[in-house]
Order: sequence, then C-alpha cells, then structure tokens
Amino acid sequence: AQSVTQLGSHVSVSEGALVLLRCNYSSSVPPYLFWYVQYPNQGLQLLLKYTSAATLVKGINGFEAEFKKSETSFHLTKPSAHMSDAAEYFCAVSPQTGANNLFFGTGTRLTVIP
Amino acid sequence: EAQVTQNPRYLITVTGKKLTVTCSQNMNHEYMSWYRQDPGLGLRQIYYSMNVEVTDKGDVPEGYKVSRKEKRNFPLILESPSPNQTSLYFCASSPWTFRTEAFFGQGTRLTVV
Repeated sequence: AQSVTQLGSHVSVSEGALVLLRCNYSSSVPPYLFWYVQYPNQGLQLLLKYTSAATLVKGINGFEAEFKKSETSFHLTKPSAHMSDAAEYFCAVSPQTGANNLFFGTGTRLTVIP
Repeated sequence: EAQVTQNPRYLITVTGKKLTVTCSQNMNHEYMSWYRQDPGLGLRQIYYSMNVEVTDKGDVPEGYKVSRKEKRNFPLILESPSPNQTSLYFCASSPWTFRTEAFFGQGTRLTVV
C-alpha cells in the first residue's frame, strides 16, 4: 500500500524566514506527488504536483518542491514566509500503477510568527 | 463558478439516527471521493467512485454507504451513526483521475452524541 510520511506535525517560522516542510514516500516506483494546502475552515486546494517531468516543481504563492528519488522525498519550501502562509499542509501520493487514488500524509500545521 | 458543494456544513446528531451528507460538483468530473479528517491522522478515504454506478471502498468504509446515481452527485450515508464517526468530512472530485488534481468541498463537521 502507498505510504507517505510528513515529519513534524507542527512547524513554526518567523515571518521572512525559510519554510521547509518534509515529505517522504515509500514505494519502489516513484508515485505522482502532490502538496495540498488547507486554510482555516476551508477545503484543500492544490499547491503543486510532480508528475515525472522536472524534478523541481513550482507552485502557487511562491512555494516549490524538489523530487529526490534517492531520498524518496518531496519536501516543500518557500524562501520567505508570509503571515498568509499559516495553514495546514498535506503531502499526498497517487501510485503510477494500480489504484487510481490519492493517499494523504498526516499533515503539518505551519505557524508564522510576526 | 466551478465548485464542489457539500451540505450541511455543520451537523450535530444523536447516535443511531440515519443521516445523509450531500456532495455535488458542477465540473462534469468522473471521479469523486469521500474523506474524513481527524487530528493526527490526516485525510483517510472512505469511499470513491470512478463513474456513475461504480463505487469502491477506501481505507475506512465501515459504517458508511455511498451511491452514485448521477454523475454530479455523490452522497455519503451514515445508516446508524456512532460517536466514533464524529469527524470533519470532505468530498472531492477529479476530471478523470486523481493523478491530475482533486477539487475539494468546504467540508462537513459532524458531531455524533
């Protein structure tokens, strides 16, 4: 079964500091990889996705993620945090073959300190 | 406006009283899915549907039913709700595969007492 691990259920950064949210997947064949963001009292929306084209993927709101096959990772970064980035972030995977489904990590809540 | 609409947004009910949470999408998507979100557990899939009359179990289907009689609607049915089904529920849809992008509803917060 697909598995995705997000290290750190809570991450706090100062406004203007680097944001780094970690995601690792566990499958021998790299899956499709996604980051979704959930703002308070809202549904999830797609931040970015990796579909085996470029390994560095740029998303909305200045976020990007790098796919590293050797590390089975897809960490999310943003050079400079903004107060509006405070939200919960979910890494998700969908296998290349087999079940056409989306499996989520447990989420990381990002707090931005003024 | 393209959207996934869930109703109700909030619901408090008593144990054993049947309820239905509706989900409707106006994007002509084939794939639809229900998730529940619990603290520390992320989103777990309950059921999904690949097209009209085609549904399958997700990771946590016990205590839930679904139906897909029309492409746009995918209701979630709790025949006999129990307190462990207190959760935040999300409906999602996708054009023809969840490997593209999933569009989510606003969520339904259900409390079973």
